[in-house]
Amino acid sequence: EIVLTQSPGTLSLSPGERATLSCRASQSVSSSYLAWYQQKPGQAPRLLIYAPSSRATGIPDRFSGSGSGTDFTLTISRLEPEDFAVYYCHQYGSSSWTFGQGTKVEIK
Amino acid sequence: QVQLVESGGGVVQPGGSLRLSCAASGFTFSTNGMHWVRQAPGKGLEWVAIIWNDGSKKYYTDSVRGRFTISRDNSKNTLYLQMNSLRTEDTAVYYCARDVWTTDARMLDYWGQGTLVTVSS
Repeated sequence: EIVLTQSPGTLSLSPGERATLSCRASQSVSSSYLAWYQQKPGQAPRLLIYAPSSRATGIPDRFSGSGSGTDFTLTISRLEPEDFAVYYCHQYGSSSWTFGQGTKVEIK
Repeated sequence: QVQLVESGGGVVQPGGSLRLSCAASGFTFSTNGMHWVRQAPGKGLEWVAIIWNDGSKKYYTDSVRGRFTISRDNSKNTLYLQMNSLRTEDTAVYYCARDVWTTDARMLDYWGQGTLVTVSS
C-alpha cells in the first residue's frame, strides 16, 4: 500500500498570502491518479485538483497542482477567506486507494 | 445535478451489523464505479471500498476485508455497504462517492453528505 505523507500538518497564514502544501508518496505514483480534496467543517470533501494539475469544475484558478513521481504540491496563490479548510491528497494504484492525513490551513 | 444521499447510520453495539445505503440521482448510475470513504471523529479520510460499475470487481481496505461487503443495485440506483462484526474503531461518518476513471485520470468527483455510524456499548 502506498502511504501519502502531507506537510505541514497545519499552515497558519493570512488572507492574501500564498499557501504551499506538500504530499509525498512512499513509492512512485502515477500522476494521472493523484488528486486533491478540500474539506470544510461539517461538510463532505470536494474535489479540487486531479491528474495532478487539472482543476475540477468550478474551482478558481488560484488553486494549482503540480508534481510527479513521489512529490506533489497544491498551491493556493492568494488565500481567500473561504479557502481556510483541510486539504487531502489522494492516490489510486494497484487496486488500492489511499489518502494523506491532511493539511489544515488556518487563519493566522 | 449529481446527488448522492446516504442513509442507514446509527448506534450499534460492538459485534453488531448495519447496512448503509447511498441513493444516486442526476447521472447514469450504471456507468460509474462507486466508493465508500469514512472519517472517524476529528480524524482524516480513510478509503473503505470500491465496486466497479457492473459489480464485477470489489476491493476493500485491509481493516474491513471479510467484515464489510460493498454491493449495488443498478436498477434502483443504489449503493450499499453491509457492515458486520462492527468494532468501536469503525465509528465514523461514512461517505459514498462517485468514481470517475478516464484514460488520463481517476478521481472521486461527487460525494454525499455522509451518515454517522457509532459503535458503542
